[in-house]
Amino acid sequence: DVKVTQSSRYLVKRTGEKVFLECVQDMDHENMFWYRQDPGLGLRLIYFSYDVKMKEKGDIPEGYSVSREKKERFSLILESASTNQTSMYLCASSFRGAPLHFGNGTRLTVT
Amino acid sequence: AQSVTQLGSHVSVSEGALVLLRCNYSSSVPPYLFWYVQYPNQGLQLLLKYTTGATLVKGINGFEAEFKKSETSFHLTKPSAHMSDAAEYFCAVRDSGGTSYGKLTFGQGTILTVHP
Repeated sequence: DVKVTQSSRYLVKRTGEKVFLECVQDMDHENMFWYRQDPGLGLRLIYFSYDVKMKEKGDIPEGYSVSREKKERFSLILESASTNQTSMYLCASSFRGAPLHFGNGTRLTVT
Repeated sequence: AQSVTQLGSHVSVSEGALVLLRCNYSSSVPPYLFWYVQYPNQGLQLLLKYTTGATLVKGINGFEAEFKKSETSFHLTKPSAHMSDAAEYFCAVRDSGGTSYGKLTFGQGTILTVHP
């Protein structure tokens, strides 16, 4: 059974902190995605990666960066957390094409 | 630019009743269309998808959706609701052209409540 594991279920950080959200998949998938989910807005793509060290901006990349040094791991970085980045963050993966498997999400609160 | 509109942020049905969740999209090219389901405190699961071919698509858990190009719609249906269907449902669209990385545009979601 495919697993996409997000390292933290809940995180509370202070404004200005550097925040790392980690995601690991165990199916050797090429594609990995980071979304944020906000009520009434659905999911919005922050970044995706189609191979190791390869990345593309999504719809809302401002204030975020990503790292993919190994195929199974895709990290989302908030360089300087702000309160408007309080949200649910979802990682996903697929062999190719649309995201197929999602993690359970990390609920980030920035105070 | 693509957009997806899900009509009704909340839908409530009785157990055993028909489930109909509406999705309309706009896309400048033939789209690929998707429905995902999210159970409480979980990530999303792919229910079904339309890429090409037959316009009536069957998915998991008894759900199906029909692509209607003339109406730019991809409504999700299930003949008989079960309590376990209570969840949030997301419609998504992707342009059929371009790279294969699967950049999707999601609707805002519809929360389905099933009453005994």
